[in-house]
Amino acid sequence: GENVEQHPSTLSVQEGDSAVIKCTYSDSASNYFPWYKQELGKRPQLIIDIRSNVGEKKDQRIAVTLNKTAKHFSLHITETQPEDSAVYFCAAYTGNQFYFGTGTSLTVIP
Amino acid sequence: NAGVMQNPRHLVRRRGQEARLRCSPMKGHSHVYWYRQLPEEGLKFMVYLQKENIIDESGMPKERFSAEFPKEGPSILRIQQVVRGDSAAYFCASSPRAPLGEQYFGPGTRLTVT
Repeated sequence: GENVEQHPSTLSVQEGDSAVIKCTYSDSASNYFPWYKQELGKRPQLIIDIRSNVGEKKDQRIAVTLNKTAKHFSLHITETQPEDSAVYFCAAYTGNQFYFGTGTSLTVIP
Repeated sequence: NAGVMQNPRHLVRRRGQEARLRCSPMKGHSHVYWYRQLPEEGLKFMVYLQKENIIDESGMPKERFSAEFPKEGPSILRIQQVVRGDSAAYFCASSPRAPLGEQYFGPGTRLTVT
């Protein structure tokens, strides 16, 4: 089955700096890659996604890049704000299932 | 348009009892996924259902766990004879379409087995 690895597990950045979270996947058949933000005690919320026929997608301060050849995809958050502090999960979809990374705990220091 | 609803939000059961977790998908969504999340861990897929059908249950333990999504009513995840190791947050997510439909998560049910 698919194996999704996510790095780093924790990330601290100064407010205004950029944050980058990286995920790799193993199954070349994976074709949909969403990113979720989960605040403490709350539900995961979809923040951005990318499909395998696209290399990059941007939504305001958030962008995702996908390298199908290398089987990795990354989340980029620019101009970080304290409210960006949360756990971020990547996921890869293949064979009826979403496979999730283990999460990155992002702390934005004011 | 109400979001995905789950109830109860918190559930306490003694070892050996049954736990029933309910998930009402968003209006118009006919695909439901259940996940388990242990503290400080990621989401683990359990089962994927469409109305009246189990599509993929490969992530669900074969014993004690079952799931359904009837034609009418919510999807139910049932855990029989709960053990302490079943304590976790259980999230469901619904999607309007498959296979590449966006998932929207419910608030989760936090199950504690004493």
